Amino acid sequence: GAVVSQHPSWVICKSGTSVKIECRSLDFQATTMFWYRQFPKQSLMLMATSNEGSKATYEQGVEKDKFLINHASLTLSTLTVTSAHPEDSSFYICSARAPSGGLGEQYFGPGTRLTVT
Amino acid sequence: AQSVTQLDSQVPVFEEAPVELRCNYSSSVSVYLFWYVQYPNQGLQLLLKYLSGSTLVKGINGFEAEFNKSQTSFHLRKPSVHISDTAEYFCAVITTGTASKLTFGTGTRLQVTL
Repeated sequence: GAVVSQHPSWVICKSGTSVKIECRSLDFQATTMFWYRQFPKQSLMLMATSNEGSKATYEQGVEKDKFLINHASLTLSTLTVTSAHPEDSSFYICSARAPSGGLGEQYFGPGTRLTVT
Repeated sequence: AQSVTQLDSQVPVFEEAPVELRCNYSSSVSVYLFWYVQYPNQGLQLLLKYLSGSTLVKGINGFEAEFNKSQTSFHLRKPSVHISDTAEYFCAVITTGTASKLTFGTGTRLQVTL
């Protein structure tokens, strides 16, 4: 099946620094990628949707200047958490949808755990 | 707006016993329903989905779910679980007009023991 990877799987950074998380579709081209955030014991919350070559669409309440998303190619999307603070600590999950993907056919990465100290 | 409720955060069950994981949704429009499974250190994997047609949907690994419109439910069932079914299970919904955006429940941890 389709595989989506994320790197790094976990990262610890100091408050005020920026962190970049990569999401790659390994064996298919992803026209659309999604970024989610998951807090402990809570559901996945959609942060933004990105289409290759265009600006990401952010969900209400998500700061686009803080969470920079770049979908520069059909196999790579990046999420950069700028000027990270402890409250940004969370589990970030990306998913990708192939052009032929049916409704709900999203392939998920294993997630990245971010801890801001 | 739509929402998904998974009332059970954890479900312990013995191997070879049947299991039901509950999912209820709220929406004022038509919905499409999904169950995803997340094994430790892996991404979410689609178990099954209901788009239309028969309300009983069969998925991978012997799981099935039944869409009940009157009760706004989409419970997941398996007649006999295995140790390898231990994982986190997420119910999700897409409503018409939301541009294929999935709304997830909070997840249910299925713990299968001998």
